Amino acid sequence: QKEVEQNSGPLSVPEGAIASLNCTYSDRVSQSFFWYRQYSGKSPELIMSIYSNGDKEDGRFTAQLNKASQYVSLLIRDSQPSDSATYLCAVDTGRRALTFGSGTRLQVQP
Amino acid sequence: DARVTQTPRHKVTEMGQEVTMRCQPILGHNTVFWYRQTMMQGLELLAYFRNRAPLDDSGMPKDRFSAEMPDATLATLKIQPSEPRDSAVYFCASGPNSYEQYFGPGTRLTVT
Repeated sequence: QKEVEQNSGPLSVPEGAIASLNCTYSDRVSQSFFWYRQYSGKSPELIMSIYSNGDKEDGRFTAQLNKASQYVSLLIRDSQPSDSATYLCAVDTGRRALTFGSGTRLQVQP
Repeated sequence: DARVTQTPRHKVTEMGQEVTMRCQPILGHNTVFWYRQTMMQGLELLAYFRNRAPLDDSGMPKDRFSAEMPDATLATLKIQPSEPRDSAVYFCASGPNSYEQYFGPGTRLTVT
């Protein structure tokens, strides 16, 4: 079992819809969770972090964390074509640096 | 606008040759990371430094890869000898801690 799992996609949503990206992790001691966005041919950039159960909102982005279910998600409201990218979930287990999932490719159709 | 810089941006080399990739972290960041990204394996951590000391290089093939930080402004990743399976994009990232990582533009390595 991979430490951090994501559906590779592509996840296709129409412009203006809500995109829901999901991530599960295997290590129960994980404490910190991050979402990075990577445009094609570019490097990853940090867009959200979440440390406590519940929701955290930042503009059109909402990160959701459920430690009991070992599940973290990213919601993108009012999706735009410029949101089309690969979204990487990253988890800190406290043992080494972040462990990244393989990413979900999001396509927002105009 | 502070950024992580990496050189070279592209490198094509023949199998068996030595490859050196360089990274200048953002001034003031005390953690530096080297990653390798391929379509098959995704983003893999190769090495991790804090205050120039190596904390974790368990993801790095020790027989051919080496990572160093000769000073706070330079991190290097060397492959000797290179093999076709080393073809990938190599990212350097730096951060004020191990979570908030700022990635460089990457070095696209092709070994023929």
